Amino acid sequence: SAVISQKPSRDICQRGTSLTIQCQVDSQVTMMFWYRQQPGQSLTLIATANQGSEATYESGFVIDKFPISRPNLTFSTLTVSNMSPEDSSIYLCSVAKAGQGPYEQYFGPGTRLTVT
Amino acid sequence: GESVGLHLPTLSVQEGDNSIINCAYSNSASDYFIWYKQESGKGPQFIIDIRSNMDKRQGQRVTVLLNKTVKHLSLQIAATQPGDSAVYFCAEASSGYSTLTFGKGTMLLVSP
Repeated sequence: SAVISQKPSRDICQRGTSLTIQCQVDSQVTMMFWYRQQPGQSLTLIATANQGSEATYESGFVIDKFPISRPNLTFSTLTVSNMSPEDSSIYLCSVAKAGQGPYEQYFGPGTRLTVT
Repeated sequence: GESVGLHLPTLSVQEGDNSIINCAYSNSASDYFIWYKQESGKGPQFIIDIRSNMDKRQGQRVTVLLNKTVKHLSLQIAATQPGDSAVYFCAEASSGYSTLTFGKGTMLLVSP
């Protein structure tokens, strides 16, 4: 497995502002993903973070709202832009390691975002 | 920590009982399945996986059963312990795609 950290662990933000969430992994990984988990719900994939190129977004998620960076094989950021109360969720990053395929994903502890 | 199981189906068992958590999937093309455990305030933790060319796989105290005919997956936990209390998610994937689709989740509550 991989050790994954996220910053911040939680935040309370005002409507209309933006928050950048960081994901750091302790070893090089092939793939990094960002998920959203709304209260009492399952995980929904936002996008796949691609190193050195634009992220691949899932249906219903757009780059203007959720810009993502991945400058190297161990770090990625997700920004939640122009926040509204509907963005209150847990945001999780996950990674898949080389040689283990894209499906055996390991998750960070999550960032708990509350928008007021 | 913050609960993620407020609106999820719940399975309540006594310590020492065997638990069975079920999951239905809809994509006939899915050929890889994973079970994750999510404790309150934490990210999901990989438990066990199974490929579609198998119908059963065993781990330590856990067994996953796959019935492709009815598109059903189950996770059996033997001798359930209070530490098993968590939300359990199944996830599916298809060859050629690098992403997972998560099921709705089931909260398991284990009483001492």
